[in-house]
Amino acid sequence: QLVLTQSPSASASLGASVKLTCTLSSGHSNYAIAWHQQQPEKGPRYLMKVNSDGSHSKGDGIPDRFTASSSGAERHLTISSLQSEDEAEYHCQTWATGLVVFGGGTKLTVL
Amino acid sequence: QLQLHESGPGLVKPSETLSLTCTVSGDSITSTSYYWGWIRQPPGKGLEWIGNIYFSGSTYYNPSLKSRVTIAVDTSKNQFSLKLNSVTAADTAVYFCARHVRDIGYNSGWSSFDYWGQGTLVSVSS
Repeated sequence: QLVLTQSPSASASLGASVKLTCTLSSGHSNYAIAWHQQQPEKGPRYLMKVNSDGSHSKGDGIPDRFTASSSGAERHLTISSLQSEDEAEYHCQTWATGLVVFGGGTKLTVL
Repeated sequence: QLQLHESGPGLVKPSETLSLTCTVSGDSITSTSYYWGWIRQPPGKGLEWIGNIYFSGSTYYNPSLKSRVTIAVDTSKNQFSLKLNSVTAADTAVYFCARHVRDIGYNSGWSSFDYWGQGTLVSVSS
């Protein structure tokens, strides 16, 4: 069964960097995923898509501070030079034939 | 610029049918490059995919909701719609519509959602 696992919460200081992780279920380590940012009381915003080889493609207007990488079944989103507006929930999403799956989301607090 | 806007009743009674419409502006819903989808988010919880539609009318549904869901497209109005029947309190959620990239680079034929609406809260209560 295709499942994405995310830690419920993360925190980092203003100006620092943070790495969020989304883990694919066993047998699905070659799947690509997408990252979406959801600021409070807003709809999600597409950040980027990342493949199993770490290659990624960003959405329109996404700053260079946001990067993605892969390691085995893990897909990472790294945000550098954290700003207050980065405080949000981050959702990962993957896909298969006739199916779309989301992770549970990680709430990022900027201290 | 692409915009998606959800509309419909904010309150639905238990056992009745939830109906929402997504109006697309800034792009044609008949584009061969995209599917169009519905996603929901119960209060305090994560996102759940409901289903997708292609402009031709082909539909794809979350197996857990398939028996209660109908998604349709109206190309003349550049809209697509969601109907969820026999609702209960567990269907209370913010409902989002989104554009889903058709991507032949993947075996699935699609990849990520790339634009989202702002969402609309639907509460199920008597």
